[in-house]
Amino acid sequence: EAQVTQNPRYLITVTGKKLTVTCSQNMNHEYMSWYRQDPGLGLRQIYYSMNVEVTDKGDVPEGYKVSRKEKRNFPLILESPSPNQTSLYFCASSLWGDTEAFFGQGTRLTVV
Amino acid sequence: QKEVEQDPGPLSVPEGAIVSLNCTYSNSAFQYFMWYRQYSRKGPELLMYTYSSGNKEDGRFTAQVDKSSKYISLFIRDSQPSDSATYLCAMSERNAGNNRKLIWGLGTSLAVNP
Repeated sequence: EAQVTQNPRYLITVTGKKLTVTCSQNMNHEYMSWYRQDPGLGLRQIYYSMNVEVTDKGDVPEGYKVSRKEKRNFPLILESPSPNQTSLYFCASSLWGDTEAFFGQGTRLTVV
Repeated sequence: QKEVEQDPGPLSVPEGAIVSLNCTYSNSAFQYFMWYRQYSRKGPELLMYTYSSGNKEDGRFTAQVDKSSKYISLFIRDSQPSDSATYLCAMSERNAGNNRKLIWGLGTSLAVNP
């Protein structure tokens, strides 16, 4: 089954404690991206990757890092999480960069 | 003014009704138009993807693009309770370097009542 898998689904952490949210896709897609979704603000892109070792900033990259060492994986790293990063996070992938074809199930992050 | 405007609803209709969901936009350079469905506590799911103007039909769903009016619509025929979800529109323009950025609406919440 074609899918984008995120882990964990739910995470509560404390300010400043580094965390990683993993994202993996099994469709051999070149394009992957990370979004956060907040009430009243909608979906905002954090980072995207056009291919292995090629990443670029989206609209709200501050406080986040990504890496793309393999085509299937695109982890999101919060080096020092803060409460304003409490949000619902989605990973997405597509074969080309024209659209976001598949989204993961989401990771609900709470930073206290 | 936001680049993409979408009425948040909520929209409540009886089962079997025809539903019309709409987005307006301000950037005439948008060429790619998408509709996504998002169930509660799930990721968005791509429903329809159209390029430039015109209509596209897929089962009970029809997407329309009117570039002259900067207006896109999603019609759902014979709506079902399982269509109850938030519907997001998104659009993009092709820019240099084959890169593109999606601009998202905030979504319209739809409830289809049995």
